Amino acid sequence: NAGVTQTPKFQVLKTGQSMTLQCAQDMNHEYMSWYRQDPGMGLRLIHYSVGAGITDQGEVPNGYNVSRSTTEDFPLRLLSAAPSQTSVYFCASSVRDRGVYEQYFGPGTRLTVT
Amino acid sequence: GQQVMQIPQYQHVQEGEDFTTYCNSSTTLSNIQWYKQRPGGHPVFLIQLVKSGEVKKQKRLTFQFGEAKKNSSLHITATQTTDVGTYFCAGTAGQFYFGTGTSLTVIP
Repeated sequence: NAGVTQTPKFQVLKTGQSMTLQCAQDMNHEYMSWYRQDPGMGLRLIHYSVGAGITDQGEVPNGYNVSRSTTEDFPLRLLSAAPSQTSVYFCASSVRDRGVYEQYFGPGTRLTVT
Repeated sequence: GQQVMQIPQYQHVQEGEDFTTYCNSSTTLSNIQWYKQRPGGHPVFLIQLVKSGEVKKQKRLTFQFGEAKKNSSLHITATQTTDVGTYFCAGTAGQFYFGTGTSLTVIP
């Protein structure tokens, strides 16, 4: 199993550009989520999905869209990039196993918006 | 809104000293998880606590969940250089809420 994969690893955007961060998992996990990590602020939940066709907003959803057409994929779209979106983005997946929701994280995408 | 705070933000210890990080939530949590993130890496799941007052141990690591299910702690006994990283708690209250993290530096 590859686990959770994310592409690209690094990305530089200009203000106003749009792009999609890719996330895929091969563990058949129902739950997937996107976080952003900024210094001193921990990980903040952007959007999450409890299964194909179902998405919901987290703490900081503004400026981002998601969709979940398959169990495996959960792309994150930046509609019009802003410098405030400079961050490290992590995708995670999890499944309930004997009551434990262990989250598996991808390697992250480091995004810089100039 | 929901907030999960952790203290301290940074901790430097001599190798062999103990280390503790504390996690406090503004609301009651269904469960609490702990993750470790090595520098430049991604968070890795350590453990989940569910019951009020629960205590779990993993070798030198001891995890506690408060009676009111609003706070938790992670204690490392006799730190080693391999313990270096940032430790996050994550509470579940409908969705996951991560704490701000404690960065641990171990001085050999």
